[in-house]
Amino acid sequence: EIVLTQSPGTLSVSPGERVTLSCRASQSVRSNYLAWYQQKPGQAPRLLIYGASSRDTGIPDRFSGSGSGTDFTLTISRLESEDFAVYYCQQYGSSPYMYTFGQGTKLEIK
Amino acid sequence: QVQLQESGPGLVEPSETLSLTCVVSGYSISSGFYWTWIRQPPGKGLEWIGTIYHSGSTYYNPSLKSRVTISVDTSKNQFSLKLNSVTAADTAVYYCVRDRGSYDPWGQGTLVTVSS
Repeated sequence: EIVLTQSPGTLSVSPGERVTLSCRASQSVRSNYLAWYQQKPGQAPRLLIYGASSRDTGIPDRFSGSGSGTDFTLTISRLESEDFAVYYCQQYGSSPYMYTFGQGTKLEIK
Repeated sequence: QVQLQESGPGLVEPSETLSLTCVVSGYSISSGFYWTWIRQPPGKGLEWIGTIYHSGSTYYNPSLKSRVTISVDTSKNQFSLKLNSVTAADTAVYYCVRDRGSYDPWGQGTLVTVSS
């Protein structure tokens, strides 16, 4: 089982700032099959990034993903008020099927 | 536009079986993709429960495998989850999702509380 570790657990930031969230895998993620999700209180998660760096349809370009192997990052270039949420990474490269999530990073208003 | 909607009892007694159904609209399950159940205990993170292909092939989280059954009914365009011998630790919001490796879209989720 691939274990994903996200850091930091909580990040206090101000609107307009640039933030970088980290997701580290316990072993290499095949074909960079890594996704990022945003979850707001009381809502289902929303897919932001798949394949480590591809934005899903309708996702603003201030969100970007990068990385390969075991180290991945989600960057939000200029935080807007609606971006304060919990972010999860997920790997879908393991075989046989055993996809896993990170524990999440909470972005809160400073 | 693909939409998923979970349904089922919101309260289940300990040791009983949790049963949920996910109805898919805007896409035929028979056309492909995998279909997955995920849960989230209150205030905690996301846990993959299991996945089914339209052919009926299934994959389960090893930590839940002995208690989980996922099935598909292509005639009704829906798939279902059964989790038996539930305890309070199974209290969670349960989501159904379309699985293309990454998960999208998600159902709105349904809270299932295990309590007597």
